[in-house]
Amino acid sequence: ETGVTQTPRHLVMGMTNKKSLKCEQHLGHNAMYWYKQSAKKPLELMFVYSLEERVENNSVPSRFSPECPNSSHLFLHLHTLQPEDSALYLCASSQDGGGGRSIQYFGAGTRLSVL
Amino acid sequence: GQNIDQPTEMTATEGAIVQINCTYQTSGFNGLFWYQQHAGEAPTFLSYNVLDGLEEKGRFSSFLSRSKGYSYLLLKELQMKDSASYLCAVRADYKLSFGAGTTVTVRA
Repeated sequence: ETGVTQTPRHLVMGMTNKKSLKCEQHLGHNAMYWYKQSAKKPLELMFVYSLEERVENNSVPSRFSPECPNSSHLFLHLHTLQPEDSALYLCASSQDGGGGRSIQYFGAGTRLSVL
Repeated sequence: GQNIDQPTEMTATEGAIVQINCTYQTSGFNGLFWYQQHAGEAPTFLSYNVLDGLEEKGRFSSFLSRSKGYSYLLLKELQMKDSASYLCAVRADYKLSFGAGTTVTVRA
């Protein structure tokens, strides 16, 4: 148990569906992250929120829309996805935005399949 | 972005030692991390190096040479539960970039 919980763990959706991924951290951190992990490829940083403000948007298509209502919760809203978006989506949190010895703690991820 | 290279796969025998190398090219280096990820689970933090040298933590050690852009993770007294993917990550300008991971298989 890392203190970062993601739901659902698995999601299958059609290209016309709208769904949301949820992440909750119980560590008292003030920064949260979304990553995409595809097979045999490095983790790709998608979004960073620090103190509930988006500070990084790594050229992610607009069909992915993040939301951070408070420092403990992070959502990723999905709509009109493509089959190549099928991947493991990981959420992470850290104390401060990445300075010093800041360590990111990860959730177990949502395995997304787009049909 | 960063260029982070690590071997794709390694196999070793239970009780042996395995060394996973990681090379990187970056500007604004601010630390190197190693994570362990078992299949279907969250990546978990193993070690952090920001200065040159060796950091030891039980059976796991991590080494850094900033001038060479090189790190390794050393796993000693391998156990079956150490079979996992090991991710090298470099922080530069306060952003964390990951290698593709090294899958280690421990055989009995």
